[in-house]
Amino acid sequence: KNEVEQSPQNLTAQEGEFITINCSYSVGISALHWLQQHPGGGIVSLFMLSSGKKKHGRLIATINIQEKHSSLHITASHPRDSAVYICAVRPSNFGNEKLTFGTGTRLTIIP
Amino acid sequence: NAGVTQTPKFQVLKTGQSMTLQCAQDMNHNSMYWYRQDPGMGLRLIYYSASEGTTDKGEVPNGYNVSRLNKREFSLRLESAAPSQTSVYFCASSEGPFRRAFFGQGTRLTVV
Repeated sequence: KNEVEQSPQNLTAQEGEFITINCSYSVGISALHWLQQHPGGGIVSLFMLSSGKKKHGRLIATINIQEKHSSLHITASHPRDSAVYICAVRPSNFGNEKLTFGTGTRLTIIP
Repeated sequence: NAGVTQTPKFQVLKTGQSMTLQCAQDMNHNSMYWYRQDPGMGLRLIYYSASEGTTDKGEVPNGYNVSRLNKREFSLRLESAAPSQTSVYFCASSEGPFRRAFFGQGTRLTVV
């Protein structure tokens, strides 16, 4: 079993829909990252969080440390949001530099 | 600012050939990383450098070497390429382990 599981693996939605991508992990962590990988391959860091909730524009990330679960929400989705969204965790029982990555959720927003 | 710059973007090697992937960042970051991304798998850490002059192995270091030439540059070398090293390689940097990471555009390497 992977330490980081994302769901769904693929998600197709209509423009304007509210999107939720989930990330569950099985180890104690010190931080969790959400990343966006564009169709061209470039990776952008969206959020880093260790508790609660963060918001940036139409993106919201939440984390529940007790339940070992995080969600990434996109409000008023747009075709330009189409990308692979990757969750990564920093295990608290390893050297600080290690990140364990999920395999990503491929999001497609249809106009 | 250019951020993190990787070269080359694409490369095809024959088995046994050697090559160096270059990475440079202009954000004065202490930490730099090399990852590989394979289909159906998450990004995996090959090597990292927590500061100038130091390097450490990640999850999948076999077949690779690295050099932290200075604070800006962190190179990844394949001494004798193997087909199993066909992958997309990403360089990243951050101010430190608990800070946001910035990624290069990736290098798509094919070993035939």
